[in-house]
Amino acid sequence: VLTQTPLSSPVTLGQPASISCTSSERLVHDNGNTYLSWLHQRPGQPPRLLIYKISNRVSGVPDRFSGSGAGTDFTLRISRVEAEDVGVYYCMQATQFPRTFGQGTKVEIK
Amino acid sequence: EVQLLESGGGLVQPGGSLRLSCAASGFIFDSRVMSWVRQAPGKGLEWVAAIVQNGDIPLYADSVKGRFTISRDNSKNTLYLQMNSLRAEDTAVYYCATDYCDGDCSLFDFWGQGTLVTVSS
Repeated sequence: VLTQTPLSSPVTLGQPASISCTSSERLVHDNGNTYLSWLHQRPGQPPRLLIYKISNRVSGVPDRFSGSGAGTDFTLRISRVEAEDVGVYYCMQATQFPRTFGQGTKVEIK
Repeated sequence: EVQLLESGGGLVQPGGSLRLSCAASGFIFDSRVMSWVRQAPGKGLEWVAAIVQNGDIPLYADSVKGRFTISRDNSKNTLYLQMNSLRAEDTAVYYCATDYCDGDCSLFDFWGQGTLVTVSS
């Protein structure tokens, strides 16, 4: 089970935002990788992968997004929120089956 | 350019069946485990099923086990989801997505646009 906090995050433009994701078990795969990812979804759009294996940004993702953590506790940080960052953020684990997602965190502009 | 194009969604009565397809292009299809993920209206993401690269091993969420069947045709670069005994709670947008690979890849890096399945009388 992945638990995200907060579930809602009103943020002022230009200010930082942080989302936490806690797993009920360690997410280290037998191959040594930790398949914890962060996805972003805008209304009416499919999810988009932002961060994979805890801290690796997908090509084209702005460097204001960063991921960190280890074991069971992970964090997504946005250093300075921009208008295009609104939407719902999900953590997900692909270390084991069934794949699981956090409940989602809605980021909106104050 | 990677493309995943789902089709086959629609309105079906409870207890009915539907078959979803996902046509893939722009990557080596048989190098990737493929997954189906769904999203009920206004809700979060739920993983449904996955199938390994050669199609030999399907995996299912408990919520669909025994009712849904995932398959793939690597000669056609197409992923399928046969859904039987549909229930109202299966109503969702169904996405196909790229999953694990043996090399260096980022899991769930590509998603289709989704196809809507509505189960209602």
